[in-house]
Amino acid sequence: QKEVEQDPGPLSVPEGAIVSLNCTYSNSAFQYFMWYRQYSRKGPELLMYTYSSGNKEDGRFTAQVDKSSKYISLFIRDSQPSDSATYLCAMNSGGYQKVTFGTGTKLQVIP
Amino acid sequence: GAVVSQHPSWVICKSGTSVKIECRSLDFQATTMFWYRQFPKQSLMLMATSNEGSKATYEQGVEKDKFLINHASLTLSTLTVTSAHPEDSSFYICSARRGWGSYSGRATDTQYFGPGTRLTVL
Repeated sequence: QKEVEQDPGPLSVPEGAIVSLNCTYSNSAFQYFMWYRQYSRKGPELLMYTYSSGNKEDGRFTAQVDKSSKYISLFIRDSQPSDSATYLCAMNSGGYQKVTFGTGTKLQVIP
Repeated sequence: GAVVSQHPSWVICKSGTSVKIECRSLDFQATTMFWYRQFPKQSLMLMATSNEGSKATYEQGVEKDKFLINHASLTLSTLTVTSAHPEDSSFYICSARRGWGSYSGRATDTQYFGPGTRLTVL
């Protein structure tokens, strides 16, 4: 079993839809949770950074962490074609610990 | 701020040759840089952690004699793929740790990624 599981998609939604992206994990030591956006042939770009359980909102993006279920989500409101990319979840236990990435979910927002 | 560059963005080489990839943090000093490989539809795989002025720490299964890493300054790390073979063809991405941020009073690890280098070995 992988430490971090993420549905690779692809996920296609119409413009303006609410998108829900999810990851599950098995390591209960993970405390820091990140979402990265990666456009084709580019490096990942940090979108959201959360610690422990709870919600964090930044513009159209909301990150949720449920440590009891080992489940994290990224919601994108009013999705735009420019949101079309691969979204990777990532997490670690903090400090200098290695960051573990999900495989990424490919999202396509159709105009 | 927090821009990381990589050079070259793509390279094609013959089997048996060596290829050097540079990773630079343009507007901040990075005491720690990371090198990843990414295969299609797979997650980023950490190859090694590079600390300025010291030897790199390689992940299990990564050949340190094949993937030479040098972190000579606080803004530059290099990855040299020696005697490259077709199976080394991949997307190589570096990241730089900007240093300690703070979230909810706790130290956080923020990595900024370069744009990646596509290596094709013929």
